Amino acid sequence: GAVVSQHPSRVICKSGTSVKIECRSLDFQATTMFWYRQFPKKSLMLMATSNEGSKATYEQGVEKDKFLINHASLTLSTLTVTSAHPEDSSFYICSASGPFFSGGGHSTDTQYFGPGTRLTVL
Amino acid sequence: GNSVTQMEGPVTLSEEAFLTINCTYTATGYPSLFWYVQYPGEGLQLLLKATKADDKGSNKGFEATYRKETTSFHLEKGSVQVSDSAVYFCALLGAQAGTALIFGKGTTLSVSS
Repeated sequence: GAVVSQHPSRVICKSGTSVKIECRSLDFQATTMFWYRQFPKKSLMLMATSNEGSKATYEQGVEKDKFLINHASLTLSTLTVTSAHPEDSSFYICSASGPFFSGGGHSTDTQYFGPGTRLTVL
Repeated sequence: GNSVTQMEGPVTLSEEAFLTINCTYTATGYPSLFWYVQYPGEGLQLLLKATKADDKGSNKGFEATYRKETTSFHLEKGSVQVSDSAVYFCALLGAQAGTALIFGKGTTLSVSS
């Protein structure tokens, strides 16, 4: 249980185009989803926190007009990189947290991560 | 604010060697502490966690004890295997609901046979 998927796993696009990345919780309702960005050989940098049905909260320095986040349902959040440029090339990872199904041995303080999306902007 | 500091690698060990990856934290209140592992080409996986002082998290032979007096959560394994080669991240979750994990910079472990 507690599986989070991301789609696509890898995307290559031309500079100036927009790319949408989906994050889905497959077997639980994710009241909160998080979007991270990971640079090569670096740690994860939190971009934004997304609660279902409300606007995302962006971290300082993250352009909310460039990285559009939508959390329309308890199982789906999307990140759209608008007018992508080569410097946006990175590994984008989402995570999701509870509430979890009962008996699953999970707790609401645990975040489960998607496998990530590798974005390359040419 | 909350932060996590972990030793930077790479850490290179021979198979069956003892592993320690240090992690210390700064936080207000009583955070939960985690170790995540990222195998090459894959996403993050939860390795173990501890939610209160003196708790010991363990999984797959790895252990870490939540030490509030030293604000540490060091990861240990008595005998590493080649398959343990990965990047290990120490992380902290603040006490407030709905907060995101704060990660250390990650430590790359390379185990050779």
